[in-house]
Amino acid sequence: NAGVTQTPKFQVLKTGQSMTLQCAQDMNHEYMSWYRQDPGMGLRLIHYSVGAGITDQGEVPNGYNVSRSTTEDFPLRLLSAAPSQTSVYFCASRHTTGGFNEQFFGPGTRLTVL
Amino acid sequence: QKEVEQDPGPLSVPEGAIVSLNCTYSNSAFQYFMWYRQYSRKGPELLMYTYSSGNKEDGRFTAQVDKSSKYISLFIRDSQPSDSATYLCAMYDNYGQNFVFGPGTRLSVLP
Repeated sequence: NAGVTQTPKFQVLKTGQSMTLQCAQDMNHEYMSWYRQDPGMGLRLIHYSVGAGITDQGEVPNGYNVSRSTTEDFPLRLLSAAPSQTSVYFCASRHTTGGFNEQFFGPGTRLTVL
Repeated sequence: QKEVEQDPGPLSVPEGAIVSLNCTYSNSAFQYFMWYRQYSRKGPELLMYTYSSGNKEDGRFTAQVDKSSKYISLFIRDSQPSDSATYLCAMYDNYGQNFVFGPGTRLSVLP
């Protein structure tokens, strides 16, 4: 199992450019999510999905779009990049069965917006 | 007030010390409490979790939850340089879909 994979590892954008951060998991997890991590702020939820075709907003969704056409993939789109979106982005996934379900994280994408 | 508060540190201790990391929270509905470890430039990894109140031990690590005080702790015994990382607490309830994370405490264990 590859677990949760993310591409690219690093990216530099200019203000106003758009891009897509890719996320894939091979564990057949129903739940997938995107977080951003900033110094002193911890992990903040951007968007999440509980299954193919179902997405919802998290704590900081503005400026980001997501879609979930398959169980495996959950791309995050930046529509018009802004310097405030400079951050480290993590994708995560887990099952949603009853009880405790461990959430697995990808290795992260470091994004700089100039 | 943030939903989960955690002292960001940084915390520096000598090798072999006992380390205490703590979080407080405001939502009494939380039932699952987790500690994640994040090495520099890596994704977080689950260290251990606890359901409801009580203690859980795993080797040199002990997690404690006091729901009456809305306070959780992680103790590391005989700390090692390899324990140097950021430790994030996280929690959720049976009905919520999403985990809530503390900001993380950066720990350095000096040889």
